[in-house]
Amino acid sequence: QVQLVETGGGVVQPGKSLRLSCVASGFTFSSYGMYWVRQAPGKGLEWVAVIWYDGSNKYYADSVKGRFTISRDNSKNTLYLQMNSLRAEDTAVYYCARDLCGGSCYSNDYWGQGTLVTVSS
Amino acid sequence: QSALTQPASVSGSPGQSITISCAGTSSDVGGYNYVSWYQHHPGKAPKLMIYDVSNRPSGVSNRFSGSKSGNTASLTISGLQAEDEADYYCSSYTSSSTLYVFGTGTKVTVL
Repeated sequence: QVQLVETGGGVVQPGKSLRLSCVASGFTFSSYGMYWVRQAPGKGLEWVAVIWYDGSNKYYADSVKGRFTISRDNSKNTLYLQMNSLRAEDTAVYYCARDLCGGSCYSNDYWGQGTLVTVSS
Repeated sequence: QSALTQPASVSGSPGQSITISCAGTSSDVGGYNYVSWYQHHPGKAPKLMIYDVSNRPSGVSNRFSGSKSGNTASLTISGLQAEDEADYYCSSYTSSSTLYVFGTGTKVTVL
């Protein structure tokens, strides 16, 4: 069965960096686009970034553009989110999610359980 | 890119039908058939309920249906059940540079 497991969350000081990972199993990872979506405490879902199945296209929310980088290693079935210059408002549970297809279906059929990132001094 | 607009809360009694709206613009909801709906129970992973405006993934109850009119999409839950109590989010492709946007979210309460 499809599984997505996020790791790498934790407490980090403002201005510092953190890298999240999402290990996928149960499907052909290299055939699907992948997303990062976050939910701040008491807030709604917010899309963060998407990467096409082959890494050829990447898009970001305005709130993270220039600070976050999405990437993938299809040989390791792993999705990454490099987060730099972290701010308090980046505090959230971060979910990885699979696109219905290679990246251009704009719908997420499987989600991980999420990893909590807390930005605080 | 602003979030799509949803009512903060909707409630209904068991067995009733409720409808959640998702208002966007011609650059997102109105211009493309890439509207999805997600059910989110706190502390759990979100679940896809509807994609491409009105398609149900395998395993999703046919009590859930989606539609769109102009710049507004809707999710209808018929035969409301206690287990339907959750937060619901719409999402859409957008022709803006950000590509993708979620709705503000709606808390569904079963009375």
